[in-house]
Amino acid sequence: GNSVTQMEGPVTLSEEAFLTINCTYTATGYPSLFWYVQYPGEGLQLLLKATKADDKGSNKGFEATYRKETTSFHLEKGSVQVSDSAVYFCALIPSGGSYIPTFGRGTSLIVHP
Amino acid sequence: EAGVAQSPRYKIIEKRQSVAFWCNPISGHATLYWYQQILGQGPKLLIQFQNNGVVDDSQLPKDRFSAERLKGVDSTLKIQPAKLEDSAVYLCASSRPLVNTEAFFGQGTRLTVV
Repeated sequence: GNSVTQMEGPVTLSEEAFLTINCTYTATGYPSLFWYVQYPGEGLQLLLKATKADDKGSNKGFEATYRKETTSFHLEKGSVQVSDSAVYFCALIPSGGSYIPTFGRGTSLIVHP
Repeated sequence: EAGVAQSPRYKIIEKRQSVAFWCNPISGHATLYWYQQILGQGPKLLIQFQNNGVVDDSQLPKDRFSAERLKGVDSTLKIQPAKLEDSAVYLCASSRPLVNTEAFFGQGTRLTVV
């Protein structure tokens, strides 16, 4: 079946540090890939997405590139802020069947001033 | 546009009691999802509706959980009787009925079973 694997958290960084959160997936065909962010006490919000190989999704300084050859969709940001502290979820929607979304376990990011 | 609305935000019940959650999706979104998110884990899909029909409910514990979406708009999720392990955040999401379309989430209902 389909699955998403994210790096274990928490990831703890100082403000302005470089961020990478790894995400790899297992799925047949060409799924669409997403990163969601969840702030404390809130629901999930879409951060960015990519729908085909080599696409780069970007938003609010975050970016991720759909790598079919390594089945990865790593999230990066060049300079994190305290306000980026949240839980980040990688997700996929398969390209066939019933298009059921699958989420990773989430990676907590803590940014210190 | 208005977001996905859920109620209540919080609920505390004793085990073996029943509870119901309500969701109103974004207008025009034909697809509606209910997810269970246990602390420290990613959301797990319980049931997916397309209009008022069920697309997938393979992970819904049908002996105690039920969900309906009358008229293809609002939805309710019910647990009867609740167990301690049902303590979680229940998220509702909706999306347009298109391939590769992202889901929009409500704020969730935090359920504590004591």
